[in-house]
Amino acid sequence: EVQLLESGGGLVQPGGSLKLSCAVSGLTFSTSPMGWVRQAPRKEPEWVSSITDSGDNAYYGDSVRGRFTISRDNSKNTLYLQMNSLRAEDTAVYYCVKGGHSYHDYWGQGTLVTVSS
Amino acid sequence: DIVVTQSPESLAVSLGERATINCKSSQSVLYSSNNNNYLAWYQQKPGQPPKLLIYWASTRVSGVPDRFSGSGSGTDFTLTISNLQAEDVAVYYCQQYYSDPRFGQGTNVEI
Repeated sequence: EVQLLESGGGLVQPGGSLKLSCAVSGLTFSTSPMGWVRQAPRKEPEWVSSITDSGDNAYYGDSVRGRFTISRDNSKNTLYLQMNSLRAEDTAVYYCVKGGHSYHDYWGQGTLVTVSS
Repeated sequence: DIVVTQSPESLAVSLGERATINCKSSQSVLYSSNNNNYLAWYQQKPGQPPKLLIYWASTRVSGVPDRFSGSGSGTDFTLTISNLQAEDVAVYYCQQYYSDPRFGQGTNVEI
């Protein structure tokens, strides 16, 4: 069974930082492009970032480019999202997804990030 | 940036009837070199992550009931739910992945 388990969400002040992790099991992580998708309350999902299977290439949405960094550790089957300079509009549930810069066939349950003073 | 627009925003359908959801992209998502349309459909129920139903515009994910079907090409696409069941009540999203992935605003399907 494929499992994607996010962690690291929480309440952070504007301008602060947070690092999300996603532990993956049940699939060959090292050959799977991965990504992050977020969803603000009562809004459609928004693609945030993707990374290739090797980690050599990363892609970002316009709203997070320059502030967020995606990375992965294939030896630990774990995906990361470092989020800096957080803003109120970054408040959302963040989902770890398999598929990267494509359709997303597996999703985690999500971790809530709230940016508020 | 390719924007996808769904219609209608909300849809009420009787049990056993057909639901039709439309998705229009601002540019073609048909890649001529492989003749694939880079469009997917998802279902999301309250408190759950989106679930992939269809990719390449018309390829159903294994295990998805065959009452769900996708059609269209280029810029105009349709998700059809035939014989609507109570468990199909959800929000449905289309997504283009021809360029940076982008989701439509969603269609709420209710009984």
